[in-house]
Amino acid sequence: AQSVTQLDSHVSVSEGTPVLLRCNYSSSYSPSLFWYVQHPNKGLQLLLKYTSAATLVKGINGFEAEFKKSETSFHLTKPSAHMSDAAEYFCVVPGNSGYALNFGKGTSLLVTP
Amino acid sequence: DAGVIQSPRHEVTEMGQEVTLRCKPISGHDYLFWYRQTMMRGLELLIYFNNNVPIDDSGMPEDRFSAKMPNASFSTLKIQPSEPRDSAVYFCASRGRMNTGELFFGEGSRLTVL
Repeated sequence: AQSVTQLDSHVSVSEGTPVLLRCNYSSSYSPSLFWYVQHPNKGLQLLLKYTSAATLVKGINGFEAEFKKSETSFHLTKPSAHMSDAAEYFCVVPGNSGYALNFGKGTSLLVTP
Repeated sequence: DAGVIQSPRHEVTEMGQEVTLRCKPISGHDYLFWYRQTMMRGLELLIYFNNNVPIDDSGMPEDRFSAKMPNASFSTLKIQPSEPRDSAVYFCASRGRMNTGELFFGEGSRLTVL
């Protein structure tokens, strides 16, 4: 079974500084991995996905993530944070069926002026 | 496309009352999912359907919860009787047949049971 661990429940950055949200995965084979974002009082939206085509994955709103097999990590980064990036971010893997998704506990990103 | 539509957006009810949450998936999507989000447990999969047939309901907490999908454009999640611990945000999501992994979520139904 695949699972993910988000290493930080809260991250606070200043506007204009880099963002790093950490995720480690556990899988017996090369997994599919996703990052989803949830803005306050909204549903979840796909940010980016890794499906083994390229280890560096670019997503929406300037976010990207790098798949590192040696570290079993899939950290989410952005060079410069905007106020609008304040949200909850989820690292995600497919469930056992391959159709549903299993979500990490989430990382709340706070962006301060 | 209007996206996944859920109703009601907010529901406040008293313990013991019946609650029905509704979902209209994106047209043409074959899979429909119900998730529950709480501070303590995060996002949990409750049940999912494929072509209107329930495939995995192992996440449904107990017999008080039931879900139906009478046709491809409508699903309900019912709680009877409701309890305070059912207070949560309930999300509906759908996806197409191609296994791209992306789920499209509605904006959720926030349930408060007093």
